[in-house]
Amino acid sequence: KAGVTQTPRYLIKTRGQQVTLSCSPISGHRSVSWYQQTPGQGLQFLFEYFSETQRNKGNFPGRFSGRQFSNSRSEMNVSTLELGDSALYLCASSFGADEQFFGPGTRLTVL
Amino acid sequence: QQQVKQSPQSLIVQKGGISIINCAYENTAFDYFPWYQQFPGKGPALLIAIRPDVSEKKEGRFTISFNKSAKQFSLHIMDSQPGDSATYFCAASKNFGNEKLTFGTGTRLTIIP
Repeated sequence: KAGVTQTPRYLIKTRGQQVTLSCSPISGHRSVSWYQQTPGQGLQFLFEYFSETQRNKGNFPGRFSGRQFSNSRSEMNVSTLELGDSALYLCASSFGADEQFFGPGTRLTVL
Repeated sequence: QQQVKQSPQSLIVQKGGISIINCAYENTAFDYFPWYQQFPGKGPALLIAIRPDVSEKKEGRFTISFNKSAKQFSLHIMDSQPGDSATYFCAASKNFGNEKLTFGTGTRLTIIP
């Protein structure tokens, strides 16, 4: 079974731009969560989608948004990028409770 | 508010030794406690997890010890190997893992020959 895939793997943007990251969950998984990983703040929860509905949301500004499609694929969007948005963005999928399977992440650099 | 505190930040252990990483949590509603292992350039991968109805869980060389009254849990890696060198994160979740994971700050483990 293929794992969680994230595209692109690396991204360089400038301040003020917007970016869209994509996540394809493991086949059959309906829950997709997004996390931001930085050296200073560690791993922080952004949001979770289940059956195209946002089920949980973390403590991030409205510039961070996401959506999930009927095939469970998910995208997250960050508008008006700031330098502090530079991070590794991780997507995780799960079938139900317990284990979340993480993708390799998208490394976003904001210049 | 950091709800899961992890220590130490880094750890160096000799090959064959025991690596011990500790975590403490504040929210008594947490009922699922996983440990994740992350190698450079990879996403975290689940290592082992425990629920508060047991005090210890062992899988191969990896053991979680859980102390509900102290709100603490720890990861023990027995017979540590160079391949165990990675960053380890403890985490906690509510509703038996159905809710978001709250992570500790991570421990960079280095196993030296």
